[in-house]
Amino acid sequence: AQSVTQLGSHVSVSEGALVLLRCNYSSSVPPYLFWYVQYPNQGLQLLLKYTTGATLVKGINGFEAEFKKSETSFHLTKPSAHMSDAAEYFCAVSLGPSGGYNKLIFGAGTRLAVHP
Amino acid sequence: DAGVIQSPRHEVTEMGQEVTLRCKPISGHDYLFWYRQTMMRGLELLIYFNNNVPIDDSGMPEDRFSAKMPNASFSTLKIQPSEPRDSAVYFCASRGTSFTDTQYFGPGTRLTVL
Repeated sequence: AQSVTQLGSHVSVSEGALVLLRCNYSSSVPPYLFWYVQYPNQGLQLLLKYTTGATLVKGINGFEAEFKKSETSFHLTKPSAHMSDAAEYFCAVSLGPSGGYNKLIFGAGTRLAVHP
Repeated sequence: DAGVIQSPRHEVTEMGQEVTLRCKPISGHDYLFWYRQTMMRGLELLIYFNNNVPIDDSGMPEDRFSAKMPNASFSTLKIQPSEPRDSAVYFCASRGTSFTDTQYFGPGTRLTVL
């Protein structure tokens, strides 16, 4: 069965520092992987996604993630954190054919704090 | 486009009352999803529709929950009777035809059952 593990429920970085949010997945089929961001009192917004093709995926707001099949990982990075990046980040995997590829399984989320 | 619209944004009710949450998906999207977010359980898929037809309701917690989609531009999630443990944020999301399309989330309805 598919599952998602996000390592670290809280991550704190300094403004300008590297952001690294970790996501590992398990999937019995080739996965489709997503990162979403949730700002306070708002819905989730897609940052980026991997479906097929290039394993390094670039998203909005300077974020990128790399799909590493051998490590079953899809870590999210940003070279330089900005105060506006403070939010909660969710990694998600799409279920395979048994779920019609329509069902997303979300990780527990990582809350990113950025301090001056 | 206005995005996914949900109403109300906040709902406070007493245990035993009926609660109806509403969602208007993005025009042209033929998939609609209802999620629930709680501290304990995170983000869970409750049910999803394709072309107004419920496809998978295996995430609906119990018979007190029901969802309908009478047309392509409107869906409801009803809880009757409501219980304090139903307190959560409920999100609606919609998506285009392909499973690689993006799911767009609404702002959510924060439900508090006293």
